[in-house]
Amino acid sequence: AQRVTQPEKLLSVFKGAPVELKCNYSYSGSPELFWYVQYSRQRLQLLLRHISRESIKGFTADLNKGETSFHLKKPFAQEEDSAMYYCALSVLMEYGNKLVFGAGTILRVKS
Amino acid sequence: DAGVIQSPRHEVTEMGQEVTLRCKPISGHNSLFWYRQTMMRGLELLIYFNNNVPIDDSGMPEDRFSAKMPNASFSTLKIQPSEPRDSAVYFCASSRQGARNQPQHFGDGTRLSIL
Repeated sequence: AQRVTQPEKLLSVFKGAPVELKCNYSYSGSPELFWYVQYSRQRLQLLLRHISRESIKGFTADLNKGETSFHLKKPFAQEEDSAMYYCALSVLMEYGNKLVFGAGTILRVKS
Repeated sequence: DAGVIQSPRHEVTEMGQEVTLRCKPISGHNSLFWYRQTMMRGLELLIYFNNNVPIDDSGMPEDRFSAKMPNASFSTLKIQPSEPRDSAVYFCASSRQGARNQPQHFGDGTRLSIL
């Protein structure tokens, strides 16, 4: 069965410290993964997708098929990074595809 | 593009009343998704449509919930009768199907409070 696991409900770091938000997935097919960010009381926004191999707002994520992981990293956290982060897996269905979301991790960056 | 548009942004009503949430997807997107977000259960997929046809409604919690997509530019999620435990933020999202790496674009959500 397809599943996305984000083991930490809350991650609290100091400004300037490195950040790693963990995401592990379970999927029998070829994985397509995304990170979404939700700032306080706002919509979910796409942060990055593994296919693009890009860095957005200083964040990167590398797909590791051996470890079935897609951890989100940033070398130096900023206060404006405080938000809820969701990892999501695109699952192929008979008609179209849907996203399976993890439970989310709240990132709190302290000054 | 204005993005995914949801209305109303906030809804407060008494239990037993009918609630209708509305969504306008991004033009050209042929898939539409309804989600519910709560502190306890996180983000849950309720139902999704492909080319206006409901594909998977297994996430709809009860028969009190129903969703329609009469055309490519409009969808509704209805709760009748509403109960306090339905209080949540309801998000609509749309995407362009055809490749699995197409992201979903979310609306601002409707914050629903049932008293």
